[in-house]
Amino acid sequence: GAVVSQHPSWVICKSGTSVKIECRSLDFQATTMFWYRQFPKQSLMLMATSNEGSKATYEQGVEKDKFLINHASLTLSTLTVTSAHPEDSSFYICSAVGPGRYNEQFFGPGTRLTVL
Amino acid sequence: GNSVTQMEGPVTLSEEAFLTINCTYTATGYPSLFWYVQYPGEGLQLLLKATKADDKGSNKGFEATYRKETTSFHLEKGSVQVSDSAVYFCALSAGAAGNKLTFGGGTRVLVKP
Repeated sequence: GAVVSQHPSWVICKSGTSVKIECRSLDFQATTMFWYRQFPKQSLMLMATSNEGSKATYEQGVEKDKFLINHASLTLSTLTVTSAHPEDSSFYICSAVGPGRYNEQFFGPGTRLTVL
Repeated sequence: GNSVTQMEGPVTLSEEAFLTINCTYTATGYPSLFWYVQYPGEGLQLLLKATKADDKGSNKGFEATYRKETTSFHLEKGSVQVSDSAVYFCALSAGAAGNKLTFGGGTRVLVKP
């Protein structure tokens, strides 16, 4: 149980285009999901907290107009990288916390974004 | 604020060697502590956790004890295998941050046959 999926697993896009990444909790309902960014050989940096039915809370320094997050249901959150640039190339990882699993996050496999 | 510091890698070991990865933390309140593992090309997986002082988390031969007096949560395994090659992250979740995780920088472990 507690499986989180991400789609796509990797994407290559041209500079200036927008890319949407989906994060789904497959066998549980997630009231809260998190989006992280991981640079090569570095740790995870929390970008934002996504709560179902409300606006996302962004960490300091993360541009909310560039990284649009929508948590439309208890099993789906999406991250849209708008007007992507090469510096946005990274590994994006989501995690989900379900009711009754306080403090435990279940991670998706990640999405590798390459912007040309 | 909250922070996690773990030893830098890479750590290179021979099979059946003893592994220790040091982790210390700074946090307000009483944090929960975690070790996550990331195998090549995969997402993070929870390896073990401890939610209060003196708790010992264990899984797959790995152990870590929550030491409040030294604010540490060192990861140990008595006999590593090649399949343990991965990046290991120490993390905490505390107080007002709710479920937010603060990660250490990660330690890459390479086990050679």
